[in-house]
Amino acid sequence: KAGVTQTPRYLIKTRGQQVTLSCSPISGHRSVSWYQQTPGQGLQFLFEYFSETQRNKGNFPGRFSGRQFSNSRSEMNVSTLELGDSALYLCASSLFPGNTEAFFGQGTRLTVV
Amino acid sequence: GQQLNQSPQSMFIQEGEDVSMNCTSSSIFNTWLWYKQDPGEGPVLLIALYKAGELTSNGRLTAQFGITRKDSFLNISASIPSDVGIYFCAGLARSGGSNYKLTFGKGTLLTVNP
Repeated sequence: KAGVTQTPRYLIKTRGQQVTLSCSPISGHRSVSWYQQTPGQGLQFLFEYFSETQRNKGNFPGRFSGRQFSNSRSEMNVSTLELGDSALYLCASSLFPGNTEAFFGQGTRLTVV
Repeated sequence: GQQLNQSPQSMFIQEGEDVSMNCTSSSIFNTWLWYKQDPGEGPVLLIALYKAGELTSNGRLTAQFGITRKDSFLNISASIPSDVGIYFCAGLARSGGSNYKLTFGKGTLLTVNP
């Protein structure tokens, strides 16, 4: 059974650009959550999608958005990148929202220069 | 908002020693979770605690859900080099239906000297 797949693994972008990250959950999992991990702030919840609908949202500006497709794959988008957006972006998949049996991907390391 | 205070921030121990780390909060949680993150990887769930006072073991790991529901600890016995990594606590608070909030601690960096 394949795990959670995030692409790309590494990304370098310039301030002001936008970026799209992808997450393919474990087969059969319909809930995908996104997190931002930085040394200073730790792991912070961005949002969660279930059945193509955003179910929960953290305290991030509107520049951070996401969506989920009918096959449960999810993408997150960050527009107008800022230096402070440099982070490891992790997604986690689970059967349903709030399920503690969530599995994380390896993450996408985004560097904004 | 909910915040978790995880301590210690880092630990340097000798192989074979026992380790203890804890998380406290001013908020009540329905579930406490402990994760381990290896370099270049995402966090992996180690133990989930669902009831106040619950004590759960997973091999050399033992964790407890505090009676007040505002704290939890994780113990690792007889540490080995592969225990190296960052350990995170997380508290899950449910607010009805599918609404919930998962808050992570800042992590404890564990280094084990062989």
